Amino acid sequence: QKEVEQDPGPLSVPEGAIVSLNCTYSNSAFQYFMWYRQYSRKGPELLMYTYSSGNKEDGRFTAQVDKSSKYISLFIRDSQPSDSATYLCAMRGSNFGNEKLTFGTGTRLTIIP
Amino acid sequence: EAGVAQSPRYKIIEKRQSVAFWCNPISGHATLYWYQQILGQGPKLLIQFQNNGVVDDSQLPKDRFSAERLKGVDSTLKIQPAKLEDSAVYLCASSLEAGETGELFFGEGSRLTVL
Repeated sequence: QKEVEQDPGPLSVPEGAIVSLNCTYSNSAFQYFMWYRQYSRKGPELLMYTYSSGNKEDGRFTAQVDKSSKYISLFIRDSQPSDSATYLCAMRGSNFGNEKLTFGTGTRLTIIP
Repeated sequence: EAGVAQSPRYKIIEKRQSVAFWCNPISGHATLYWYQQILGQGPKLLIQFQNNGVVDDSQLPKDRFSAERLKGVDSTLKIQPAKLEDSAVYLCASSLEAGETGELFFGEGSRLTVL
């Protein structure tokens, strides 16, 4: 079993829709949870960063972490064509030896104008 | 502020040949990472440097891959001899500091095709 599971998609939604992207994980030591956005032929860039459980909102983006279920989500409201990209979840622990960032496989998202 | 620079952007070689990738991190960033991203997969850490010392190289195939970071700035990643399964994008990233608050800044990657 992979440490981080993410549905690879592809996912296509119409412009203006709410998008939900999800990851599950198995390592209970993970404490820090991130979402990276990767445009085609570019490197990933950090989009959202959350520590432990809870919600975090930044503009049209909301990140949720449920540590009891080992489940994280990214919601995109009022989706725009510029949101079309691959979204990677990533997570790490805080203890020595468990700090390596582990990525999901990424979900490829297309917003249709 | 200049981002992470990588070269070459694209490289095509035949199996058993060698290849080298170069990375220049963001100025002042002590931690440098090399990741391998195979098509359809997430990035996988190959090696992490803190200044010019290796922090983690547990997933580096040491029989064919090597990396160095002389003087704690630029880094090179070498593959010799290359195999078909090495076809991937090699991403370099840097961060101001390692640890929980260290945001990674990625370069655009070096895309390797092994024929």
